[in-house]
Amino acid sequence: AQSVAQPEDQVNVAEGNPLTVKCTYSVSGNPYLFWYVQYPNRGLQFLLKYITGDNLVKGSYGFEAEFNKSQTSFHLKKPSALVSDSALYFCAVRPLGSSNTGKLIFGQGTTLQVKP
Amino acid sequence: DADVTQTPRNRITKTGKRIMLECSQTKGHDRMYWYRQDPGLGLRLIYYSFDVKDINKGEISDGYSVSRQAQAKFSLSLESAIPNQTALYFCATSDLAANTGELFFGEGSRLTVL
Repeated sequence: AQSVAQPEDQVNVAEGNPLTVKCTYSVSGNPYLFWYVQYPNRGLQFLLKYITGDNLVKGSYGFEAEFNKSQTSFHLKKPSALVSDSALYFCAVRPLGSSNTGKLIFGQGTTLQVKP
Repeated sequence: DADVTQTPRNRITKTGKRIMLECSQTKGHDRMYWYRQDPGLGLRLIYYSFDVKDINKGEISDGYSVSRQAQAKFSLSLESAIPNQTALYFCATSDLAANTGELFFGEGSRLTVL
């Protein structure tokens, strides 16, 4: 079955420290991978995506993610966390066979808490 | 103004009542989706639509129906609401021409079924 896993329910980091939010996937073929962020009482906002090319993808608000095909991972990273980065983060993958549908499979979400 | 607008934002109802959640978009996208968010489960697809004449079931369509009234409008109905349909519901759109899979979300509709 095609799936996305975010192994950590919550990640805590001090402001100014680097952060990593983990994501692994199980999808046949070459995946399209995404990260979205959800602030309290808001909808999901697109952060970045990997389709092809350079394994390191840069996105909004200073975030980046590294695609690792051998480990089937797409971890979200930021060199220096801000308190305002505190939110719920979702990893998502476009499953095989859905190239014409736009459907995405979402992970369960990871809450990022950045403390001053 | 938001590109994807959902109404109502919050609704409390009773078991057995019919509920409609509405979504409208100004992005000009042809694809529209309804997702449900539950804590610890992420987002799950309920229904999706490619255009007014094309409606498709997602992974959890039982107990729900949809209507695509126009390219810009996609509504979700619960004919007889039950407590386990208590959730946060999101409408989303995507662009066929771009075909990158990126979704654009509304602010969400929080539904509580008592």
